[in-house]
Amino acid sequence: AQSVTQPDIHITVSEGASLELRCNYSYGATPYLFWYVQSPGQGLQLLLKYFSGDTLVQGIKGFEAEFKRSQSSFNLRKPSVHWSDAAEYFCAVGESGATNKLIFGTGTLLAVQP
Amino acid sequence: ETGVTQSPTHLIKTRGQQVTLRCSSQSGHNTVSWYQQALGQGPQFIFQYYREEENGRGNFPPRFSGLQFPNYSSELNVNALELDDSALYLCASSSGSPVQYFGPGTRLTVT
Repeated sequence: AQSVTQPDIHITVSEGASLELRCNYSYGATPYLFWYVQSPGQGLQLLLKYFSGDTLVQGIKGFEAEFKRSQSSFNLRKPSVHWSDAAEYFCAVGESGATNKLIFGTGTLLAVQP
Repeated sequence: ETGVTQSPTHLIKTRGQQVTLRCSSQSGHNTVSWYQQALGQGPQFIFQYYREEENGRGNFPPRFSGLQFPNYSSELNVNALELDDSALYLCASSSGSPVQYFGPGTRLTVT
């Protein structure tokens, strides 16, 4: 069965420091991969997506992610974190086929210290 | 371009009652998916509607049902509410692409 694992439940970084959020997936074929961000009490905003091609993808707000097939990973990175990046981040796998449902990880809550 | 909207924002119901949540898809999107997000969890897929037909369902009981209308807006109905139904309910729309765009959600509290 398809699944997504986000090993880090909670991460704290200092403002200006670099960030890497981990995501591992289990999927039989080449997956569609996504990162979404959720501010408290809000819906999900799409940060970036990977379908095929270049394994390093750029997203909004200065985020990027790298697809590594050999490691079944799709880690999210940002070189310099801003206080406004504090939020919960979800990695998701999109199933191909008749139903393009998304399978989400349990999320990583990011706190940013001044 | 109008994004995905949901109503109401919050509501409180009593166990055993029924509830209807509403979603308007993004302009031009013909597919609507519903997700349940319990506190501290990632969203879980409930079902998807494409052109007014159910197009896939997650592991949710039949008391969770839905509709999609000709304008592609959608409703999620939950009968016989249970305490565990308390969650944020998210609607997402898409059109011919795996990318789904989410609304702000409806926070349901069952007491």
